[in-house]
Amino acid sequence: EPEVTQTPSHQVTQMGQEVILRCVPISNHLYFYWYRQILGQKVEFLVSFYNNEISEKSEIFDDQFSVERPDGSNFTLKIRSTKLEDSAMYFCASSREANEQYFGPGTRLTVT
Amino acid sequence: GNSVTQMEGPVTLSEEAFLTINCTYTATGYPSLFWYVQYPGEGLQLLLKATKADDKGSNKGFEATYRKETTSFHLEKGSVQVSDSAVYFCALIGSYNQGGKLIFGQGTELSVKP
Repeated sequence: EPEVTQTPSHQVTQMGQEVILRCVPISNHLYFYWYRQILGQKVEFLVSFYNNEISEKSEIFDDQFSVERPDGSNFTLKIRSTKLEDSAMYFCASSREANEQYFGPGTRLTVT
Repeated sequence: GNSVTQMEGPVTLSEEAFLTINCTYTATGYPSLFWYVQYPGEGLQLLLKATKADDKGSNKGFEATYRKETTSFHLEKGSVQVSDSAVYFCALIGSYNQGGKLIFGQGTELSVKP
């Protein structure tokens, strides 16, 4: 069964550094998403991406964040200058239409 | 704005007990409703969904019915197993949302004891 994959599983970085989180969505899916879950809190929407552009983004997704689909298979989330409060689990998801989404296993980002 | 509220956890049950996890939502129109499950150390898995009023989603013995009149989507299972121990998230996509943004409840942790 096809699945969404994410790398790395755990990323440790220092405050102010740039990080790139990588995702490989399910191959025939057209919509791509990033969510995050701060420890003990709700899963929060960050951004959705369709047809090579952002469809929607949340208030969290400020100028420090960007997304890219550099080729036909990868979908990346970049944080330009990480803050302590960016420490969270980041989930990538994909879907064929803008409905049921399939999630990857997540990348745990720790900012020190 | 749209929102989802779930019952507080943790919920602790004995094996073979009946499970209900309450979920209510606030949204205009007819949102699509989902239950996701997160097993320890893993990502979110889609458990079931319903896209219109009175639809019943079901999977792996779990069921939930889309109740427009009570704005609810309660998750039920007749006989839980230890392997059902996980965190369960209720979620919706707004009916006027073109981008597919999922709005989650806070999650309910279920622990099933042998």
